[in-house]
Amino acid sequence: QSVLTQPPSASGTPGQRVTISCSGGSSSIASNTINWYQQLPRMAPKVLIHSNDQRPSGVPDRFSGSKSGTSASLAISGLQSEDEAIYYCAAWDDSLNVWVFGGGTKLTVL
Amino acid sequence: QVQLVQSGAEVKKPGASVRVSCKASGYSLTGYYLYWIRQAPAQGLECMGWINPNSGDTNYAQKFQGRVTMTRDTSIMTAYMELRRLTSDDTAVYYCAREWLGPDGAVWFDPWGQGTLVTVSS
Repeated sequence: QSVLTQPPSASGTPGQRVTISCSGGSSSIASNTINWYQQLPRMAPKVLIHSNDQRPSGVPDRFSGSKSGTSASLAISGLQSEDEAIYYCAAWDDSLNVWVFGGGTKLTVL
Repeated sequence: QVQLVQSGAEVKKPGASVRVSCKASGYSLTGYYLYWIRQAPAQGLECMGWINPNSGDTNYAQKFQGRVTMTRDTSIMTAYMELRRLTSDDTAVYYCAREWLGPDGAVWFDPWGQGTLVTVSS
């Protein structure tokens, strides 16, 4: 059971906008910044969004992040087939003193 | 090119130990904290703990305390994670990841190693 809660799956058609939610608690998301990682099939995870809403260089602006209270969201606009991946949210947990992750959301492009 | 290169897949019997290595290139291992994160089959990510390669200080997630040891050899820019008393529940891909500190104090993992599959089976 993951500390952060994500929907197990999401889907959309090419060009659509999809959002993935991530909920946590007062000691994790509410207290610390959140990061999002993208894991393509058979690859290691890669940072997609850091510091709640910042994109590393090279990440398309189709990807955006937001945070409010104990929840965060990842939005993907102009969905493309290469966006098929598993997306994880992550935050430091002040109570557990460890990084905690969501269970991952598998995105399917129909 | 900044990268972390891990050792190859391992097959171990229950009760045995495994040591996974993670070699840094393109940057100084001692400049950044290094984390170990594992992913069981069809499961999510689980943080095992970290090592400060400069001082050797470590911090382990409570779940793994007493069973894991993280070390480093700065002369060869390599970090190690040893997990003892393996059970089938330890079958997973083990990743090392560098903690990157942003200008605003936020941190994230970048890059990650390619992963090492550890299979525990009798």
